[in-house]
Amino acid sequence: GIQVEQSPPDLILQEGANSTLRCNFSDSVNNLQWFHQNPWGQLINLFYIPSGTKQNGRLSATTVATERYSLLYISSSQTTDSGVYFCAGVRDNNNDMRFGAGTRLTVKP
Amino acid sequence: EAGVAQSPRYKIIEKRQSVAFWCNPISGHATLYWYQQILGQGPKLLIQFQNNGVVDDSQLPKDRFSAERLKGVDSTLKIQPAKLEDSAVYLCASRHLRTGGLAGNTIYFGEGSWLTVV
Repeated sequence: GIQVEQSPPDLILQEGANSTLRCNFSDSVNNLQWFHQNPWGQLINLFYIPSGTKQNGRLSATTVATERYSLLYISSSQTTDSGVYFCAGVRDNNNDMRFGAGTRLTVKP
Repeated sequence: EAGVAQSPRYKIIEKRQSVAFWCNPISGHATLYWYQQILGQGPKLLIQFQNNGVVDDSQLPKDRFSAERLKGVDSTLKIQPAKLEDSAVYLCASRHLRTGGLAGNTIYFGEGSWLTVV
């Protein structure tokens, strides 16, 4: 299966700062998602983004499929953005979704 | 639209005991996944169903783990006997699988079942 690398593993920000999280894939994927895992363990969908750019409020994501990476941007970070962010990808629809190890974000007030 | 439902939310058992987790996917979702997430790691797939057939169970420890999806709807994951290293969150997820679609291929997760083996 594909390998997924996320960076940085840990990120500490002051409230109001911007950040960029990166996800690299070892092979091309046709399904890529970003998730935020809340303190209770649930994985919340942020973006389904196999290619291109999407924005949702203070969050946006860009996937460059030909270069096998995706970026998640968080602008004007808030303490409620804290948690673990995962990216995950599927090579084709019959394969499982492989996760990275996550980026643990801490936003300090 | 109701989300993926899982139960129980929390379970504490002694090693060598058994436990079962239940999952009801989003209505109409043909694909169902069970993931295991150990603290500090990303989720790891245990088993993937397409309707009531198994697509991938290569990472399922079959000597102690079993899963079924009767009638292609809800699913049960069982561990027997449990070991200390089975302490983890067990996440169920589902996907519709629309060909050529965009958001229709999104995978949705339940809240997870937290297992502690003591």
